[in-house]
Order: sequence, then C-alpha cells, then structure tokens
Amino acid sequence: AQKVTQAQTEISVVEKEDVTLDCVYETRDTTYYLFWYKQPPSGELVFLIRRNSFDEQNEISGRYSWNFQKSTSSFNFTITASQVVDSAVYFCALSNMNRDDKIIFGKGTRLHILP
Amino acid sequence: GAGVSQSPRYKVTKRGQDVALRCDPISGHVSLYWYRQALGQGPEFLTYFNYEAQQDKSGLPNDRFSAERPEGSISTLTIQRTEQRDSAMYRCASSGGTGGVYGYTFGSGTRLTVV
Repeated sequence: AQKVTQAQTEISVVEKEDVTLDCVYETRDTTYYLFWYKQPPSGELVFLIRRNSFDEQNEISGRYSWNFQKSTSSFNFTITASQVVDSAVYFCALSNMNRDDKIIFGKGTRLHILP
Repeated sequence: GAGVSQSPRYKVTKRGQDVALRCDPISGHVSLYWYRQALGQGPEFLTYFNYEAQQDKSGLPNDRFSAERPEGSISTLTIQRTEQRDSAMYRCASSGGTGGVYGYTFGSGTRLTVV
C-alpha cells in the first residue's frame, strides 16, 4: 500500500529561523514521484516541487530546499530564513510512475511563522 | 481555459438533496482527478478519468457518489441524498498526461456544506 506520513501536525517558528518539515513515505513500487504542495490560508493548492525516484539529488530553489533519501524513505522540506508569508499548510504527496495514477497526500503540516 | 475551473465555489444544501459539482479542466488535458479534503486533513483521492473513461473509482466512499466525463472534457461529481458527513472541500485536478510526469494542476475547489 502507498502511504505518506507527516508526523508534525503543527510547527511554530519565529521569522528568520530555519524550519524543516518531515515526510516519510511507503510504497511497494520501485518507480514513483514525490511532491510538495503549499496550501496558504486562501485555500488553493500550490505546487512546489516534484521529484522522481531515480533522482536522489537534493534540490534548492531560493529559500526552499528538499532532501530526498531513499534509504530512509524520506523527502524532507526545509525553509531557510522563514518569512511570515511562508505560513501555510504543507502537504507531501506520492504517486507511482507505472501503475495507477492517483496522487496520495499526507495529512499536512501547519506552519506558523511568527513575526 | 487557463486553469482548472470548478463551480460552484460554495454550495450549501439540505440533508437528503442531490448535488452536482462541476470541473472544467485545462483545455486539452487528458487526465482529470477528483479529491475530497475534510477540514484539517489532506486531500483524499476519489476517482480519476483518462479522456472519458473512468480509470479508478476506488476512492468513492459509497454508491451515493458518482462521476462522469462524457466528452472527455468537463466532469461532474454527483452526490445523491447528501449527508452531513459529506461536507468538505471537493477539489478537481487535471493533467496533460500521466499526472506524475506532467504534473497535477488543482482547481480552487467547491466548498460543500450539508445542513
């Protein structure tokens, strides 16, 4: 079965601190995609990143970085120098590459950036 | 269209009534997905289509829920004899092909409240 676990339900940090959101996944597939989405207070789902299971290179985009480790089935997301605008719910998600096509979401981590 | 459009944006209905939620995907997108997001939870898969063919309906909670996409474009999710537990945000997403490869674009959702 496929499953995504985001153990941190809610995190609060002070602005400019770094924060890491954890994501652990389970899948029996050898080829799959991992995603992170942001859901700001307005409610839309904003795509942040997609990685495929072949590529374990870490990725950096501005203040955002992602650490993918197949050995621990984790795909963690770090925000450096957090800003109030980063306050949102963040979802980690998984889809397989070859079988069915649905994307399975974790329950999300609510991030509060305090001014 | 430029994005995935869902209507209505908000729907309040009385228990026992039927509701129809509409999704207009990005023009030319082959795949269309329906998700339900309860308050404080991650989006939960309901069903998806490739063109007009329903590929997977394993996430539909019971036989009161059905979906169609008769011409391979607009889709309707119908809930018959609504119950209060059906209250949630219903989200539609579309993709140019296999979602993992092409990415999923989500609409703004329909907030359904059953009173």
